[in-house]
This record gives sequence, structure tokens and C-alpha cells, in this order.
Amino acid sequence: RKEVEQDPGPFNVPEGATVAFNCTYSNSASQSFFWYRQDCRKEPKLLMSVYSSGNEDGRFTAQLNRASQYISLLIRDSKLSDSATYLCVANTGGFKTIFGAGTRLFVKA
Amino acid sequence: DTGVSQNPRHKITKRGQNVTFRCDPISEHNRLYWYRQTLGQGPEFLTYFQNEAQLEKSRLLSDRFSAERPKGSFSTLEIQRTEQGDSAMYLCASSSQSNYGYTFGSGTRLTVV
Repeated sequence: RKEVEQDPGPFNVPEGATVAFNCTYSNSASQSFFWYRQDCRKEPKLLMSVYSSGNEDGRFTAQLNRASQYISLLIRDSKLSDSATYLCVANTGGFKTIFGAGTRLFVKA
Repeated sequence: DTGVSQNPRHKITKRGQNVTFRCDPISEHNRLYWYRQTLGQGPEFLTYFQNEAQLEKSRLLSDRFSAERPKGSFSTLEIQRTEQGDSAMYLCASSSQSNYGYTFGSGTRLTVV
């Protein structure tokens, strides 16, 4: 079983749609969580951290459920430029940061 | 540019040759990480430095791989006797604290022929 699991997608949505990605992690000792965005053949870029209380950054909302070991990312009012792969990340402290394989999103006009 | 810099961007090498990649992290970041990514997968941890000390190395990393960070600034990753299975994107990242997100470099894409 992978330590961080994501639905690989792809998710194909029209512009303006709301889309949600889910992720589960297996290590209950995980302390911090992130979502990264990765464009095709580019490096991952930090999108946002994920806090237990939930956090929002513009059209993006991240949620963490420690009891279920579950992380989510919600994108509202999708834009063409949101098309990318979204990587879910769990860190157990220090160097041990585990990336999921990513969920691909295609936003179409 | 104050981001993470990696060189070269691309490397094509023949099987059995040695290759070396360089990473220059963000100057105020004392933590440096090397990851490897293949198509359709997330980045896979290779090794971690805090300042000049290499604190962890993945068990997935064979003895053909070695990394250094001699003065706690830039780092090099060397692969000896390359194999076709080494073909991947090699990513370097840095951070100031462990619970902060990482800043990645643009990566070095290695192709072993």
C-alpha cells in the first residue's frame, strides 16, 4: 500500500466548474500536509499547506481530517490555467516527505 | 534569480557512464533534498542534507548513487555506471524548516541510452 494515495484521474471539467480531489495517507504520525501543483514537464510548486481547521486561498480550499487520515482540495470556478497535476504530500517530520502520484486535471473551455 | 538552480537541465548519457548533477539551493535554506521522478509518479525521496550533513539516504538508492554538500551550500548528485532504469527527472529542493513546503528546482532530466 502506498503511503499517500490519490485518484490519478484525469478529471475533465468545464470552465467555471467546482472540482474536488481527495487523498489518503497511511502514516498516522504525519504532521504536516501540503498540496503541490505540477505542470507538464515542470517542477512541482507549492500550492498551499493544509491545516486541521481547513484553509482557503482564493478559489482553493484545503481540508484535513486526521481521524480518517484524509486530505482534500477543492477548486471553485475552475480556470483553463488550473489544468495541471495536483500532488498530495504528507510529512512525518524532518526529511520524510511523501508525495502522492498526483491527480490530473483538465479544464476545458 | 533567488530560486533553486539545477544544472544541467538535460543529460543524455550512454549506459555505463558516470554523470554528476549540481543543485544550488536558496541561500538561506539549510535543508536540501534530492528526489527522483518518473512519468506518472510523484517525486520519490533520494537523500536529505541539513547544512553539510547527509542525514538520510533512501534504501532505494543503490551504492552507485552518491551525494555531497561540502560546505552546506550547493550539492552534487553523482550516478556511477548508469543504467537505463536511472532515466528520470532528478529534482532538488530546499527548505528552511522541515514543516515548511519545499521549493524545487527545474530538475535535471537524465536519459540513459
